[in-house]
Amino acid sequence: QKEVEQDPGPLSVPEGAIVSLNCTYSNSAFQYFMWYRQYSRKGPELLMYTYSSGNKEDGRFTAQVDKSSKYISLFIRDSQPSDSATYLCAMSGTAGAGSYQLTFGKGTKLSVIP
Amino acid sequence: GAGVSQSPSNKVTEKGKDVELRCDPISGHTALYWYRQSLGQGLEFLIYFQGNSAPDKSGLPSDRFSAERTGGSVSTLTIQRTQQEDSAVYLCASSLSGGAYEQYFGPGTRLTVT
Repeated sequence: QKEVEQDPGPLSVPEGAIVSLNCTYSNSAFQYFMWYRQYSRKGPELLMYTYSSGNKEDGRFTAQVDKSSKYISLFIRDSQPSDSATYLCAMSGTAGAGSYQLTFGKGTKLSVIP
Repeated sequence: GAGVSQSPSNKVTEKGKDVELRCDPISGHTALYWYRQSLGQGLEFLIYFQGNSAPDKSGLPSDRFSAERTGGSVSTLTIQRTQQEDSAVYLCASSLSGGAYEQYFGPGTRLTVT
């Protein structure tokens, strides 16, 4: 079992839809949970991060972490064609090498159709 | 301000040749990371530099890979005797103090070994 599992998609939704992206993980030492957006042939762009469990909202984006289930989600409201990209979840711990090494999911490719 | 920059953006090389990839981190960022993104494999950690501390090289896949960071700023990743399986996008990231949750990525160098 990989440490972080992420459905690669592709996921195709109409403009204005609510998008739900998810990752599961197995390492209970993970404490920081990040979401990155990566456009084609570009580097990953940090969208937001959450520490431990809970929700975090930033504009149209909401990140949720459920540590009891080892499950994290990113919701995108009122999706736009410009949201079309690959979304990567990433995680890290707080001690030793785990505090600076990011463990990534493989990414979900999202297309928002006008 | 300026983000992380990497050069070259694309590199095509013949099997067996050596290549050097360069990373300029965000000014003032003390931590620098290298990752590799292969098709279908996601991002994998290669090496971590923090200030004047010894680097964490635990992610380097073989002794053909090496990296250095001069003056606490610019870093060079060197791959000797390149193999076809080295073909990937090599991404550099930097962070202000070494926290995994605040890593900012460059655009990457796409390496193709023929």
